[in-house]
Amino acid sequence: DTAVSQTPKYLVTQMGNDKSIKCEQNLGHDTMYWYKQDSKKFLKIMFSYNNKELIINETVPNRFSPKSPDKAHLNLHINSLELGDSAVYFCASSLPPGQGVFGQGTRLTVV
Amino acid sequence: TQLLEQSPQFLSIQEGENLTVYCNSSSVFSSLQWYRQEPGEGPVLLVTVVTGGEVKKLKRLTFQFGDARKDSSLHITAAQPGDTGLYLCAGGGGGGADGLTFGKGTHLIIQP
Repeated sequence: DTAVSQTPKYLVTQMGNDKSIKCEQNLGHDTMYWYKQDSKKFLKIMFSYNNKELIINETVPNRFSPKSPDKAHLNLHINSLELGDSAVYFCASSLPPGQGVFGQGTRLTVV
Repeated sequence: TQLLEQSPQFLSIQEGENLTVYCNSSSVFSSLQWYRQEPGEGPVLLVTVVTGGEVKKLKRLTFQFGDARKDSSLHITAAQPGDTGLYLCAGGGGGGADGLTFGKGTHLIIQP
């Protein structure tokens, strides 16, 4: 069984569209995250959710919104997509002390 | 803002050689992790170090956490082509709800 699974793996869309990326974890972890990896492979945290509460919201445009229907899921919604949003987005979950189990990533390409 | 500086950024060596990757910060971290990422995949956790001065070994890989918990190193002995990949260090600042601060990674290539 895949511990952290994301869908879709690839997403190509036009500027201005709204899209969602889904994430599910079967590890029973309390905290889930979204990270963005840029073209230079630099990973930066976007959001953290603990028991459905937003813990961290870094300087991310409000076009990005995480939504957690339950403890095992954390979806990422993106409105009005821009060219600069193209990147690989990773979902992760963790146990203390902040160890991350990452999904396989979603490569988003905005054209 | 906590920052992690990783060096070298790129490293290409011959099979059988030894190498060390460094991860340095001016900030104290409660824990530090090392990940390995292969193309098209997510980072995979190799090790977590928590105590200052801690040394952990994973087969040919040796990880060390600095006494002041501001830096770490990864040493690979007798590197093999299967060690090729992107190595990332990441620091945890506090409780489990905190996200990780990542270094910019070391792209390692081991040539046969």
